[in-house]
Amino acid sequence: DTGVSQDPRHKITKRGQNVTFRCDPISEHNRLYWYRQTLGQGPEFLTYFQNEAQLEKSRLLSDRFSAERPKGSFSTLEIQRTEQGDSAMYLCASSLLTGTGNEQFFGPGTRLTVL
Amino acid sequence: GENVEQHPSTLSVQEGDSAVIKCTYSDSASNYFPWYKQELGKGPQLIIDIRSNVGEKKDQRIAVTLNKTAKHFSLHITETQPEDSAVYFCAAIRYQGAQKLVFGQGTRLTINP
Repeated sequence: DTGVSQDPRHKITKRGQNVTFRCDPISEHNRLYWYRQTLGQGPEFLTYFQNEAQLEKSRLLSDRFSAERPKGSFSTLEIQRTEQGDSAMYLCASSLLTGTGNEQFFGPGTRLTVL
Repeated sequence: GENVEQHPSTLSVQEGDSAVIKCTYSDSASNYFPWYKQELGKGPQLIIDIRSNVGEKKDQRIAVTLNKTAKHFSLHITETQPEDSAVYFCAAIRYQGAQKLVFGQGTRLTINP
């Protein structure tokens, strides 16, 4: 399967713990996005990378959140000191920036439950 | 910033009938409008998209129309089938800058056999 993959698919943690999610984009894609989706809502943008550079972060991304894409390939999203409000589906998408388009393809998501 | 409104929030149609979902956007600089289908427990799947230099695009039973003047776009599904049941999201984006997707609130489509 050459699509976007995410790991783990589900994560249950206790409030105050740290969690880390991984995203592997489609191999030739140079852009990688993180979105968060809460129940009954559309995904909301969190941050994105072009190659290894993190170019924009949303106001939704508090200081407890950090994302990396160290070699311009896979990315990690870490949440420190989790809160119940962090419970959501965390989606990763990748795209190949070209002059004519920027179709974003999503992974299956990581569902986080904070108890 | 961009704001996307989507209607209706739920839609129920008989198998074989057509379904239409409508979205409006606020930023006249938006120039790319994808539609995603999301099934339970899965990530959004890109099903069709349209760029601002095109008024309509078709792909088999699915079509999207765009009215730039009115800033609205619609998804049309004909000859609906049970496997079309899912949540559908519209989105808008500008090619410049981050090109982050701004999504509508979603439409839960149910196809009744």
